[in-house]
Amino acid sequence: GESVGLHLPTLSVQEGDNSIINCAYSNSASDYFIWYKQESGKGPQFIIDIRSNMDKRQGQRVTVLLNKTVKHLSLQIAATQPGDSAVYFCAENIGQAGTALIFGKGTTLSVSS
Amino acid sequence: DAGVIQSPRHEVTEMGQEVTLRCKPISGHDYLFWYRQTMMRGLELLIYFNNNVPIDDSGMPEDRFSAKMPNASFSTLKIQPSEPRDSAVYFCASARGSSYEQYFGPGTRLTVT
Repeated sequence: GESVGLHLPTLSVQEGDNSIINCAYSNSASDYFIWYKQESGKGPQFIIDIRSNMDKRQGQRVTVLLNKTVKHLSLQIAATQPGDSAVYFCAENIGQAGTALIFGKGTTLSVSS
Repeated sequence: DAGVIQSPRHEVTEMGQEVTLRCKPISGHDYLFWYRQTMMRGLELLIYFNNNVPIDDSGMPEDRFSAKMPNASFSTLKIQPSEPRDSAVYFCASARGSSYEQYFGPGTRLTVT
């Protein structure tokens, strides 16, 4: 079946380093992708999104890259801080806005000082 | 805005008992989603509503699960009878139809013993 998955379940980095979290998706019809951050005991929180007609989008300290050829999505976090420690999920949508997202399993990012 | 509100935050019940989880979406949002999160299966969509009407309930595990949305500001997810394998964190999320971004509540941690 269609799925969204992560290459690595955990990632440990030092404070100040850049972090890269990867995600593979299998549905070539997906036209919208979102990265969510989930801190312990909280619900997922939106970080950044990208449409399939783009290959890069930048936010504050975060960049999402989309490679449709190999169905790969990545989230880059610049100058990682301890507050960035969380589980990161990629999600895809193949329908119109307001319809269901399909979430990957998540990658746990641990930032040490 | 207070964001998506869920209650209770924690629920511990015995197998066979009825459990009702509650959600108040963000005012003005016309989509409401119920998700379940476990370590094994990650974040799974159970059901979602548009303008209080259920659109897709294919993720509901079985007949023991039911969801209602009697008005635009309230939804319930009921499990009757509950089983230990229902133990999970249940999230409610809402969205405005013109946006893909879903706003998640803090979740309800359900433990069935």
